[in-house]
Amino acid sequence: DSGVTQTPKHLITATGQRVTLRCSPRSGDLSVYWYQQSLDQGLQFLIQYYNGEERAKGNILERFSAQQFPDLHSELNLSSLELGDSALYFCASSPRGRQGASEETQYFGPGTRLLVL
Amino acid sequence: TQLLEQSPQFLSIQEGENLTVYCNSSSVFSSLQWYRQEPGEGPVLLVTVVTGGEVKKLKRLTFQFGDARKDSSLHITAAQTGDTGLYLCAGTFNQGGKLIFGQGTELSVKP
Repeated sequence: DSGVTQTPKHLITATGQRVTLRCSPRSGDLSVYWYQQSLDQGLQFLIQYYNGEERAKGNILERFSAQQFPDLHSELNLSSLELGDSALYFCASSPRGRQGASEETQYFGPGTRLLVL
Repeated sequence: TQLLEQSPQFLSIQEGENLTVYCNSSSVFSSLQWYRQEPGEGPVLLVTVVTGGEVKKLKRLTFQFGDARKDSSLHITAAQTGDTGLYLCAGTFNQGGKLIFGQGTELSVKP
């Protein structure tokens, strides 16, 4: 158990819909990262938040957005869903920046499997 | 653009054999991590290396980080069927940044 939790575990929805994925980082970790894993693209970085602020963006679609709340949990919002958005979505957290920690390691949650029909 | 090449993509061996997986980049890693992933689950951290030339051991697994911090290898001694899974290397190229993942090595260890 990495200490990172994600809900829901599975999500089935229809094209055009909107969903919200939730992530709780490890206790005290300030950085949250979102990744998408599809069969043809592998694991791809979407976006990073650090202590509530957006820190970096990857190839995240404009239909996707995220935020990190004061309690450090994060949500990834996916809208106008398309069939190609079906994938595993992972959240990871890192202790870097917490009390001066320099550890680079990212710890991954169990993921949310999204199926768009 | 930082690219991370992992090889081989697929590996099928008999129990008891040794194997090595390679991870290479043209850029210098700030840090490199090896993960193992089971189908439908999140990547599970095996090791983090940050110092050039570093060698870390985890039971039958040996991880090396190249002196120039551009390559790494994972060596498994006397593979067991329980080692079957997807092995991923992932690197950061600036401190605290996103992970760039290799395509993974799908390892199958047959009894």
